[in-house]
Amino acid sequence: GESVGLHLPTLSVQEGDNSIINCAYSNSASDYFIWYKQESGKGPQFIIDIRSNMDKRQGQRVTVLLNKTVKHLSLQIAATQPGDSAVYFCAENLGDSWGKLQFGAGTQVVVTP
Amino acid sequence: GAVVSQHPSWVICKSGTSVKIECRSLDFQATTMFWYRQFPKQSLMLMATSNEGSKATYEQGVEKDKFLINHASLTLSTLTVTSAHPEDSSFYICSASVSGGATQYFGPGTRLTVL
Repeated sequence: GESVGLHLPTLSVQEGDNSIINCAYSNSASDYFIWYKQESGKGPQFIIDIRSNMDKRQGQRVTVLLNKTVKHLSLQIAATQPGDSAVYFCAENLGDSWGKLQFGAGTQVVVTP
Repeated sequence: GAVVSQHPSWVICKSGTSVKIECRSLDFQATTMFWYRQFPKQSLMLMATSNEGSKATYEQGVEKDKFLINHASLTLSTLTVTSAHPEDSSFYICSASVSGGATQYFGPGTRLTVL
């Protein structure tokens, strides 16, 4: 994942527009990826996952795209709503026997009316 | 399904005291539980991996004698912060995965403030 920093990138989106959140991962051996949503003061909430044998997966209002060639992951949120305001993290499964995850730095999504 | 709880949700303690945080999987058996800490505006940093019935595996730089982990059953893991200091103040989050599963389900977190 991306290196941890002290400042979260922020994506400001108007309500009703589509959001695209990007993530670069580091380990070419990672075979499983997850997007989490974290609201202030709460634990991360599972949104959607994708395995490395796929390049696209859709859920309810969300789509995850995986580009293994450039080690890039994206989360698309359709018709963004105020309740989508949160920090979004991508996580890669490092492929070890315990299922450890490495988290990206996160992106703060702010939905404006 | 896949609900994980933590207790307490927040705790304030004096420097030098110890604090225990519980992590429970409520509707599934978790072979593996993970403990993370998160500072404001930062990502989650894995502290240790906890496996039921065996010793926890700590990440590099995490003091195992300071952060004691006990995973006594398939539904409960505890993290004890011993001799807490103000720099240990943080948001501690646990997660759990089902046997053979790759997805981690997270608890709501515990806010620790050491005075």
